Amino acid sequence: GAVVSQHPSRVICKSGTSVKIECRSLDFQATTMFWYRQFPKQSLMLMATSNEGSKATYEQGVEKDKFLINHASLTLSTLTVTSAHPEDSSFYICSARELTGRFFGPGTRLTVL
Amino acid sequence: SQQGEEDPQALSIQEGENATMNCSYKTSINNLQWYRQNSGRGLVHLILIRSNEREKHSGRLRVTLDTSKKSSSLLITASRAADTASYFCATDTGGGNKLTFGTGTQLKVEL
Repeated sequence: GAVVSQHPSRVICKSGTSVKIECRSLDFQATTMFWYRQFPKQSLMLMATSNEGSKATYEQGVEKDKFLINHASLTLSTLTVTSAHPEDSSFYICSARELTGRFFGPGTRLTVL
Repeated sequence: SQQGEEDPQALSIQEGENATMNCSYKTSINNLQWYRQNSGRGLVHLILIRSNEREKHSGRLRVTLDTSKKSSSLLITASRAADTASYFCATDTGGGNKLTFGTGTQLKVEL
């Protein structure tokens, strides 16, 4: 099946810093990618839909200035958590849609101290 | 808000037993999908059932869908320790653009 990668897999940062997470579709082109957040022992919550070449669509309650999304190419979307705070600590997962279905990245564990 | 509610939240069984997980949702759907997530990992797609289907099989997996009750079930037969994971249902309300995930069931299969 298609492969979606994320980098980094784990990041620890100080409060107030910005963190960039990359999501890549390795063997297919994805015009649309999705960013989810998952708190421990909870479900995935859709944060935003990333569209190549245009602005991302954010879900209600998600601050677009806080979570910057850039989808500059058909194989790469980035999520930048700006001025991260401890409450932003979470597991961030991206997903890309390919002809045969939806594929998920392995996730990025963000810990903000 | 969560589209799907799953029960049980947690399930512990012995290897060889069957595991059944249920998912309920609130709005009309185009299809319903089941995913598996190992601890701290991404999701793996297991099976998709369309709104006009009532039952689907894939290996040891059996999924049912009752659109009149807005519910689905996932049955894993002859469970193995390696089946230990969290299982999520996800509903697609159309266009394949947005998947809304249920609350998940944590399955533990003990030797």
